[in-house]
Amino acid sequence: GAGVSQSPSNKVTEKGKDVELRCDPISGHTALYWYRQSLGQGLEFLIYFQGNSAPDKSGLPSDRFSAERTGGSVSTLTIQRTQQEDSAVYLCASSLQGGFNQPQHFGDGTRLSIL
Amino acid sequence: TQLLEQSPQFLSIQEGENLTVYCNSSSVFSSLQWYRQEPGEGPVLLVTVVTGGEVKKLKRLTFQFGDARKDSSLHITAAQTGDTGLYLCAGGSLGGIQGAQKLVFGQGTRLTINP
Repeated sequence: GAGVSQSPSNKVTEKGKDVELRCDPISGHTALYWYRQSLGQGLEFLIYFQGNSAPDKSGLPSDRFSAERTGGSVSTLTIQRTQQEDSAVYLCASSLQGGFNQPQHFGDGTRLSIL
Repeated sequence: TQLLEQSPQFLSIQEGENLTVYCNSSSVFSSLQWYRQEPGEGPVLLVTVVTGGEVKKLKRLTFQFGDARKDSSLHITAAQTGDTGLYLCAGGSLGGIQGAQKLVFGQGTRLTINP
């Protein structure tokens, strides 16, 4: 498709389980971002990829969170030993290049619910 | 830590009225973007402003970047029910080891336009 694709769209899991969220950016976009959004709130930055490297991972909340990007394309965000406070919508965005003025194109997010 | 505060957090008005949403910070931002988000979807970019004092118009929407690049406003004239949504401002911020650029988001203004 032409836009950013995220899967799954919804994920319900039990506390303590690991989850993996996937983001397929727009073809040719070198920059990729992960954000977390709590119900009706703003976006919390998690990590930024330029190509396959992550120049800024300052937003990852704890060492239970990790992300990787391979082939300069698909990215996965992994949360280990999930906690109830991890429940949120996880949004991925891509842009043609990194930088302030580049428009970020968002996927529709993965809604994660931890029971 | 750079923060963006949006006001009001919630706004409900009648169709045809005018409104202004504010985005304020004590920090200087290199640029500022405004996004609109509808339920179940990712944010969609409306505009980017980069120069202090800059004014951009998008049909009935007028965006202004403060002279000192610390604040911005969004004014909607003759609001329509289709304007309903979550409006987010985001400022360009330097971060990370290589000075990678990321967006800092405000908490959003939830706008409801009643028929």
